[in-house]
Amino acid sequence: AQSVTQLGSHVSVSEGALVLLRCNYSSSVPPYLFWYVQYPNQGLQLLLKYTTGATLVKGINGFEAEFKKSETSFHLTKPSAHMSDAAEYFCAVSDPGGSQGNLIFGKGTKLSVKP
Amino acid sequence: DGGITQSPKYLFRKEGQNVTLSCEQNLNHDAMYWYRQDPGQGLRLIYYSQIVNDFQKGDIAEGYSVSREKKESFPLTVTSAQKNPTAFYLCASKTGTTSTDTQYFGPGTRLTVL
Repeated sequence: AQSVTQLGSHVSVSEGALVLLRCNYSSSVPPYLFWYVQYPNQGLQLLLKYTTGATLVKGINGFEAEFKKSETSFHLTKPSAHMSDAAEYFCAVSDPGGSQGNLIFGKGTKLSVKP
Repeated sequence: DGGITQSPKYLFRKEGQNVTLSCEQNLNHDAMYWYRQDPGQGLRLIYYSQIVNDFQKGDIAEGYSVSREKKESFPLTVTSAQKNPTAFYLCASKTGTTSTDTQYFGPGTRLTVL
């Protein structure tokens, strides 16, 4: 069975600092990987996803993530944090061989940005 | 404007009452989903539907029911059998059942039991 672990339920960075949000997966085959962002009291918005091809994926708002099969990781990064990046971030996986294409979500990481 | 709408945004329920949460999409998506979100728990799948007139239980279906009579609509009923219904409920949809498809989310409904 697949699972997703997001290390750190809360991460705090200063404005302009590097953002690093960690995601590790457990799966018998490499899954498809997604990062979503959720602003308070809103739905989720896709930041980026990895399915096949280049392992470094660029998304919206300056975020990117790199799929590392050897480390079973898909960490999300942004070189310079902005106050508007404060939100909750969710990593999710889906099974490439699955017939339903359902997502399994991590528990989320809440990002705070200090001025 | 294409998207997913959920109503109401806030809902209050007395114990013992059934309530229905609305989810409508105009994206022409086949698959629709209902999730429950609790603080620190991530998103947990309640029900999903891949085609009209068909739906499957997710991980936490007990105390909930759904219908899928129209492609664009997937209402969720929270029944009195759900012991702890206070949560944020999210509806999502995607094109089909392919694992690479992106799920698009509605703005959510916050349900509070009084």
